[in-house]
Amino acid sequence: GESVGLHLPTLSVQEGDNSIINCAYSNSASDYFIWYKQESGKGPQFIIDIRSNMDKRQGQRVTVLLNKTVKHLSLQIAATQPGDSAVYFCADRFTHDMRFGAGTRLTVKP
Amino acid sequence: DARVTQTPRHKVTEMGQEVTMRCQPILGHNTVFWYRQTMMQGLELLAYFRNRAPLDDSGMPKDRFSAEMPDATLATLKIQPSEPRDSAVYFCASGSSTQSYGNTIYFGEGSWLTVV
Repeated sequence: GESVGLHLPTLSVQEGDNSIINCAYSNSASDYFIWYKQESGKGPQFIIDIRSNMDKRQGQRVTVLLNKTVKHLSLQIAATQPGDSAVYFCADRFTHDMRFGAGTRLTVKP
Repeated sequence: DARVTQTPRHKVTEMGQEVTMRCQPILGHNTVFWYRQTMMQGLELLAYFRNRAPLDDSGMPKDRFSAEMPDATLATLKIQPSEPRDSAVYFCASGSSTQSYGNTIYFGEGSWLTVV
């Protein structure tokens, strides 16, 4: 994941709308990608993962898209709910090294 | 409900004191990671163990930090002496390198360290 280090990007959406959170990674040799959700005061929780031989993977209300050409990853959340409010991290892995981006704060407005 | 367990959850200590954080990985997991999270740096990888052997600790300040796995059920991260700049949340995560799909790692709830 790409580390920003200064500002945490934010995304504010209306309850019921779809959310798209984007992430860029830098290592073209990364072969595995994960999205984590971190709620206040808690550790990151696994949401969904994808291997580099795929470009899309779907879970329950979440979809991850991988574009290796531009080294870009996105997380789509359908019908966003207040409980989805959190910081979302992407992580990419090369060998054992799991690197995390700075995260995006998602706020869901009722 | 398998989970990574970290202790202490919160620690306030004075500069110069030794701090030891402990982690119990998920039973059966053979990889353990230590991460540090701050507002400025995000999640930084400090150390990585596989089958209890340290494979990478390049992210860890060697002069004051040390990480060990005395046995398969315990990982420790020690800071001696602690400094105010060490104030952060320290996460332990575990995974299995033998999983057939990816190597998802699971995080504990973190140890919130404040050095004054």
